[in-house]
Amino acid sequence: NAGVTQTPKFRILKIGQSMTLQCTQDMNHNYMYWYRQDPGMGLKLIYYSVGAGITDKGEVPNGYNVSRSTTEDFPLRLELAAPSQTSVYFCASRGAGGRQLGETQYFGPGTRLLVL
Amino acid sequence: AQKITQTQPGMFVQEKEAVTLDCTYDTSDPSYGLFWYKQPSSGEMIFLIYQGSYDQQNATEGRYSLNFQKARKSANLVISASQLGDSAMYFCAMREGRKGYSTLTFGKGTMLLVSP
Repeated sequence: NAGVTQTPKFRILKIGQSMTLQCTQDMNHNYMYWYRQDPGMGLKLIYYSVGAGITDKGEVPNGYNVSRSTTEDFPLRLELAAPSQTSVYFCASRGAGGRQLGETQYFGPGTRLLVL
Repeated sequence: AQKITQTQPGMFVQEKEAVTLDCTYDTSDPSYGLFWYKQPSSGEMIFLIYQGSYDQQNATEGRYSLNFQKARKSANLVISASQLGDSAMYFCAMREGRKGYSTLTFGKGTMLLVSP
């Protein structure tokens, strides 16, 4: 059981380039999330999805786009990379089960992005 | 106003001693959940413990317990018998909102260092 997987692990982008961060979960979770973590800070929510075809903005959505065509995948798209998007990106998912299991988000290993 | 406040940027504890990491929260939602996550130097986010706002008893998971004081809006993490492997960043987080559309808000974290 792989849980939540993210690719790539690390990427360097030039200003203005685009890329897609991949996130896949094999737990059949309805809910998926993208966060960014800046150095020395907590996580901030970028986008989330409550099911295939349904997405919504989080706290810091500017400069990003998402799509959710399947239950398993939730890619995050950066269209015009800027230095301010240098961060560690985490994908997470949760199920809709019982009290604690339905509440808890499980995280992928993260993607380190450096924009120069 | 910050929704999650962790006032201790860093904490030091000796191996085998207990340590308390502070977390206060701010919400007007009567239904909410509180989480603690551990982030070791390798970077992954590891779920530790969960407390629901309606739970009558404090949550416990092995050496971790959550000291939930609802009136004071605090949800401190207690680690008993610290181990060297407990050295990590610890984040408090809160879930608000309708369950299906709820999101997590994270604090800035506390760095815990356990010495031999």
